[in-house]
Amino acid sequence: EAQVTQNPRYLITVTGKKLTVTCSQNMNHEYMSWYRQDPGLGLRQIYYSMNVEVTDKGDVPEGYKVSRKEKRNFPLILESPSPNQTSLYFCASSPRTSGGAGETQYFGPGTRLLVL
Amino acid sequence: EDQVTQSPEALRLQEGESSSLNCSYTVSGLRGLFWYRQDPGKGPEFLFTLYSAGEEKEKERLKATLTKKESFLHITAPKPEDSATYLCAVQSTPPGKLIFGQGTTLQVKP
Repeated sequence: EAQVTQNPRYLITVTGKKLTVTCSQNMNHEYMSWYRQDPGLGLRQIYYSMNVEVTDKGDVPEGYKVSRKEKRNFPLILESPSPNQTSLYFCASSPRTSGGAGETQYFGPGTRLLVL
Repeated sequence: EDQVTQSPEALRLQEGESSSLNCSYTVSGLRGLFWYRQDPGKGPEFLFTLYSAGEEKEKERLKATLTKKESFLHITAPKPEDSATYLCAVQSTPPGKLIFGQGTTLQVKP
């Protein structure tokens, strides 16, 4: 089954404790992206990757890191989480890059993060 | 600065009562406009892509249209299963960057 998987689905952590949220897709997609979704602010792009070893900032990259060493994986790293990073996080992938990265973008199930 | 605004924030309809959702955008160079549906507790699901003014796409009871400044998602004779949050997103430059609107939450009552 074609899908985007995220782990963990739920996470409670404390300020400053490094964490990684994994994202994996089995569709051989070139494009992958991370978003956070907050009430009243909608979906905001954190980082995206057009292909292996190619990453770029979205609208809200502060406090996050990413890497794209393999085509299927795109982990999101919070090196020193803070309470304002409490949010619902979505990973997504798409077969398109230029001109159509939003088209047929497949989203993962989401990771709900609480930073105390 | 690129911006996407959706209206209304929430919409309640009776089953069969047609209506439209609006997505207004300001971008330096539109590469594509996308509509998604999101059910509670789930990730968004892709619906449509529109690339140029005048373009229209249809799927079942949904029809998306695009002008130079806005897009509409028309819902004809909605059913309760159409209840969801509908998200609009635009892509300009750089090509991988996507900007989403805040969404319209639609509730269709039987």
